Amino acid sequence: AQKITQTQPGMFVQEKEAVTLDCTYDTSDPSYGLFWYKQPSSGEMIFLIYQGSYDQQNATEGRYSLNFQKARKSANLVISASQLGDSAMYFCAMRERNTGNQFYFGTGTSLTVIP
Amino acid sequence: GAGVSQSPSNKVTEKGKDVELRCDPISGHTALYWYRQSLGQGLEFLIYFQGNSAPDKSGLPSDRFSAERTGGSVSTLTIQRTQQEDSAVYLCASSLLGQGAGELFFGEGSRLTVL
Repeated sequence: AQKITQTQPGMFVQEKEAVTLDCTYDTSDPSYGLFWYKQPSSGEMIFLIYQGSYDQQNATEGRYSLNFQKARKSANLVISASQLGDSAMYFCAMRERNTGNQFYFGTGTSLTVIP
Repeated sequence: GAGVSQSPSNKVTEKGKDVELRCDPISGHTALYWYRQSLGQGLEFLIYFQGNSAPDKSGLPSDRFSAERTGGSVSTLTIQRTQQEDSAVYLCASSLLGQGAGELFFGEGSRLTVL
């Protein structure tokens, strides 16, 4: 079974609108972390936001927020007020303690912001 | 340097030749990961080093691939008898577990082209 599932290969959003990128995960480990990375066309991997499995509140970092629904095992990324520079690939990832802190990545979502 | 350093940034080689890719992680980071990313695809896990523990080699695609990490710092990924399907960007990442989110810090990658 896939550890991380991203079901949206491509998404489009109008500039200044909000967009949600979906991510579901699969683990039986009670201790895990969820991460989102951005990869622009330049290829660099940029860390955006982190949510720990024991965190009670949803993580937020500027225009990024993580909609953490533990019972549903989902960790959707919400980008508010989209900007042209947000056009990139977005990867969801999970780190499990039980697997020695191995990181698992989803297949990514390509986001295009339309002016 | 402040970040993860990878070399070479670009490597073009002929089928059948051996190549070595180097990764210099952030100083003090105990965890080091290698991933492979083919054009337009997600990240494929290759190998993971954590401190003095035996590396997790479960992602290496064949016995032509090997990696070592000397002195708990610099890592070298070696591909023997390269094949055209080895063409990809090889990404190295390091992490300091136990502090903050423990997110991965990525290098800029080594782009390998096998002719």
